Amino acid sequence: GAGVSQSPSNKVTEKGKDVELRCDPISGHTALYWYRQSLGQGLEFLIYFQGNSAPDKSGLPSDRFSAERTGGSVSTLTIQRTQQEDSAVYLCASSGFRLSGGETQYFGPGTRLLVL
Amino acid sequence: AQKVTQAQTEISVVEKEDVTLDCVYETRDTTYYLFWYKQPPSGELVFLIRRNSFDEQNEISGRYSWNFQKSTSSFNFTITASQVVDSAVYFCALKTSGSRLTFGEGTQLTVNP
Repeated sequence: GAGVSQSPSNKVTEKGKDVELRCDPISGHTALYWYRQSLGQGLEFLIYFQGNSAPDKSGLPSDRFSAERTGGSVSTLTIQRTQQEDSAVYLCASSGFRLSGGETQYFGPGTRLLVL
Repeated sequence: AQKVTQAQTEISVVEKEDVTLDCVYETRDTTYYLFWYKQPPSGELVFLIRRNSFDEQNEISGRYSWNFQKSTSSFNFTITASQVVDSAVYFCALKTSGSRLTFGEGTQLTVNP
């Protein structure tokens, strides 16, 4: 079946503009995650959804960052008033659910964001 | 707090050499999961393996093998007879009771022909 898809693959924006990044998880996966990969910071967790709720938002770096998930499927990560330090690759992952908590996260190709 | 350390930032080998990528983790949880991911130049993170803390059996998959040792908190990854297509950044990751993966800094492996 199809893997995790993300759009756009690349986004160039001007400082101060808002951007929306989209993630389509693997069909049937209830959990969805956003991570950010930047030089010097490595791979950082941003937010986790189980269904449509976000029990863990602790990785969002500021209140300019928000995310939502609708219908237990597609998720949108929104960055308001972008800053140059927001430039990074934004990765989305999804997983099934295990009581043990050991589910594997499968990643999408990422959205490369460049803020000028 | 959880932490993953991949001390090797870059490794360069010649094709057909064996290479081991080191991973050391820290956690106080007794139940946890360890992962390896490959990130080729295309950028997508590709899942390679998952181990849970109760299963220390080593695993082999083709040219890949993994050595999990709780006594030293290590989960090392060996590629036997490396190939140019193995060139990528490899990440070790830890998952405990929470939802997130904690990643190491990654090891850039370059296999030269």
